[in-house]
Amino acid sequence: STELTQPLSVSVALGQTATITCGGDNIGPKSVHWYQQKPGPAPVLVIYRDSVRPSGIPERFSGSNSGDTATLTISGAQAGDEADYYCQVWDGSSAVFGGGTKLTVL
Amino acid sequence: EVRLVESGGGLVKPGGSLRLSCAASGFAFSSYTMHWVRQAPGQGLEWVSSISVSSLYLDYADSLKGRFTISRDNPRNSLYLQMDRLRVDDSAIYYCASRLGGEAFDIWGQGTLVTVSS
Repeated sequence: STELTQPLSVSVALGQTATITCGGDNIGPKSVHWYQQKPGPAPVLVIYRDSVRPSGIPERFSGSNSGDTATLTISGAQAGDEADYYCQVWDGSSAVFGGGTKLTVL
Repeated sequence: EVRLVESGGGLVKPGGSLRLSCAASGFAFSSYTMHWVRQAPGQGLEWVSSISVSSLYLDYADSLKGRFTISRDNPRNSLYLQMDRLRVDDSAIYYCASRLGGEAFDIWGQGTLVTVSS
């Protein structure tokens, strides 16, 4: 079964670019989705199908996927971007989530 | 407004049962596969179960080992999760979610907290 590996934490200076990776055996052919979760509320979809932003998600959020690694990039990180981020793929009819990455904006 | 509202969580003893509900509104509930996703305290997201539009296809996480049963009532726009033989490690916030756009979970409820403790 598919396993997704994310770094536990990533730090970024205010206004700089944050990169969060999601590793999985040959996940390049799969569609990777990314969720943002702040303390309290439910997760919010920020990127789907590797690189597509849902309506209402700022342009500073972008994604890519190739080989064994998918990447969520936040350009010009803001204080409000501090949150946990999860990648997700479909393994048949089951959803598989990465362990999550805590993004800290310094 | 598209909305999912979970209910039914609470405190239950190990070995007990609980039935969660999820009320949907603002979209054609009967046209979408529905899912349950849980999150243990301080932990990540874990997919639990899914049910197809006609309830013909049911899927569960392997870790549940037949203790949970998902169901739906389309005329009532409602999703359910019957949880039996509950264990301490089933303690989590349980979210219902769906893929209205067909790709990723683009709609989530606010979650309902289940605590399994003696």
